[in-house]
Amino acid sequence: QKEVEQDPGPLSVPEGAIVSLNCTYSNSAFQYFMWYRQYSRKGPELLMYTYSSGNKEDGRFTAQVDKSSKYISLFIRDSQPSDSATYLCAMSAGIQGAQKLVFGQGTRLTINP
Amino acid sequence: GAVVSQHPSRVICKSGTSVKIECRSLDFQATTMFWYRQFPKQSLMLMATSNEGSKATYEQGVEKDKFLINHASLTLSTLTVTSAHPEDSSFYICSGSPFNSNQPQHFGDGTRLSIL
Repeated sequence: QKEVEQDPGPLSVPEGAIVSLNCTYSNSAFQYFMWYRQYSRKGPELLMYTYSSGNKEDGRFTAQVDKSSKYISLFIRDSQPSDSATYLCAMSAGIQGAQKLVFGQGTRLTINP
Repeated sequence: GAVVSQHPSRVICKSGTSVKIECRSLDFQATTMFWYRQFPKQSLMLMATSNEGSKATYEQGVEKDKFLINHASLTLSTLTVTSAHPEDSSFYICSGSPFNSNQPQHFGDGTRLSIL
């Protein structure tokens, strides 16, 4: 069993839809939870960053962490074609600078105009 | 803030060539940087942890003599693929975060390496 599980998709939705992406994990030591967006042939771009459980909102994006269920989610409201990308969840146990990230497999998302 | 610059973005070279990839933190200092490899339609695979002023720590199965890492300053880490062969062709990405902070990792834009 992988340490972080993420459905690779592909996921295709119409423009304007609400998108729900999620990951599950098995390591209870994880405290830091990230969502990265990666366009083709580019490096991952940080979208959301959450410490421990709770919700965080930034514009059209909302990140949720439920440590009791070992489940994290990313919601995208009013999805746009420019949101089409691969979304990677990542997590780590400690202070970012020296801690390895454990990534999910990534979900390929397409927003259709 | 926390910008990571990676150079070059694309390399095409003949088999047997050694290739150096640079990873710079432009607006922060990083004692630790990470190097990843990514195959098409797959997630990032951590290759090694680059430590400023000391030896890199390699993940299991990664040949340290093939992938040489140097982290000589707080803003620059380099990955050299020595005597590259076609099977080394891949997308290489580095990341870093500000020293002694709780900021998440920021990634460079990657280097696409093609060995003919």
